Amino acid sequence: GDSVTQTEGQVTVSESKSLIINCTYSATSIGYPNLFWYVRYPGEGLQLLLKVITAGQKGSSRGFEATYNKEATSFHLQKASVQESDSAVYYCALGYGNEKITFGAGTKLTIKP
Amino acid sequence: NAGVIQTPRHKVTGKGQEATLWCEPISGHSAVFWYRQTIVQGLEFLTYFRNQAPIDDSGMPKERFSAQMPNQSHSTLKIQSTQPQDSAVYLCASSLDGGNTQYFGPGTRLLVL
Repeated sequence: GDSVTQTEGQVTVSESKSLIINCTYSATSIGYPNLFWYVRYPGEGLQLLLKVITAGQKGSSRGFEATYNKEATSFHLQKASVQESDSAVYYCALGYGNEKITFGAGTKLTIKP
Repeated sequence: NAGVIQTPRHKVTGKGQEATLWCEPISGHSAVFWYRQTIVQGLEFLTYFRNQAPIDDSGMPKERFSAQMPNQSHSTLKIQSTQPQDSAVYLCASSLDGGNTQYFGPGTRLLVL
């Protein structure tokens, strides 16, 4: 079946520094999957941060970016300068059309002031 | 728009009792998804409906778990004879027909003692 791997369970970054959260995927279905980053802020529900449905394209939201790299089967999340308000749990995920989503294990991001 | 509504938010049951979890999708959304989140297994897909019809229940445990969608405004997940290993946060999500973005509810935290 499909799978998503996030190698870091927890990441701590100082405020205003850059961030990268790694995500790789394995997709067994025919065709290229849609790729997502979901986020759960403290005390809130899971919400979509960004998505990319075309290989080679980049998605962005709230200063975060991720590029769909089909050769490397990667979808790393990056931000040039993090803020304390970015502290949250980030989930990389994949899906096909309007069907089930397969999630990574999540990465808890803590920002040091 | 109230978003996806899940009730109850918290439920405590004794081993062997039944638990019924409710989900009200966003009005106009035709697809409803159920996921389960635990520390060990992470976020796992359980089942989903489209236009009230069951489409994929590949993630549902074969025994004791069942899901229904009797009308377009709500879905239920029922767990019979609950066991401690059923303790988890159960998430419901909905999406538009033809869409690829799922909107999640706040979840129901089930604790089986």
